[in-house]
Amino acid sequence: QKEVEQNSGPLSVPEGAIASLNCTYSDRGSQSFFWYRQYSGKSPELIMSIYSNGDKEDGRFTAQLNKASQYVSLLIRDSQPSDSATYLCAVNPPQAGTALIFGKGTTLSVSS
Amino acid sequence: GAGVSQTPSNKVTEKGKYVELRCDPISGHTALYWYRQSLGQGPEFLIYFQGTGAADDSGLPNDRFFAVRPEGSVSTLKIQRTERGDSAVYLCASSINSGGAGGELFFGEGSRLTVL
Repeated sequence: QKEVEQNSGPLSVPEGAIASLNCTYSDRGSQSFFWYRQYSGKSPELIMSIYSNGDKEDGRFTAQLNKASQYVSLLIRDSQPSDSATYLCAVNPPQAGTALIFGKGTTLSVSS
Repeated sequence: GAGVSQTPSNKVTEKGKYVELRCDPISGHTALYWYRQSLGQGPEFLIYFQGTGAADDSGLPNDRFFAVRPEGSVSTLKIQRTERGDSAVYLCASSINSGGAGGELFFGEGSRLTVL
């Protein structure tokens, strides 16, 4: 089992809809969780971090964490074509020291 | 500079050659990471520097890969006897502290390495 798993997609949603991106991780001791956005040909940029169970909201983005289920998700409300990108889930498991372990990413396509 | 700077942006080399990839982190960031990203994959951790020392090099795939950060700022990733499987985008990231403990990683635009 890979340490961080994401559905590669593509996930296609119409403009204005809610996009739901999911991620599971294998190390139950993980404490830090991140969502990065990567546009085609560009480098990843951090959009959300979450450390505690529950929801964390930032503008149109909401990160959700459930440590018991080893599950983290990202909701994007009122999706825009400019949200079309690959979304990378990253986890900091204890055995990785300070390194982040990334999933393969989910490609999101928002159609206008 | 304002962000993480990586050079060269593109490097094409022949199998067996030696390459160096350079990373200039954000001023004041003590933590520096190298990752490698292949097409359709997420970034894969290679090595982490805290200051001048390599605090964690567990991600280096083999002894052909080596990285230095002699003055605690600029870092160079060195690849000896390149192989076609080394072809990837090499990403450098910096953080004001140790990123995995809660700090944000700022990535450079990457160096795309192609080994023919």
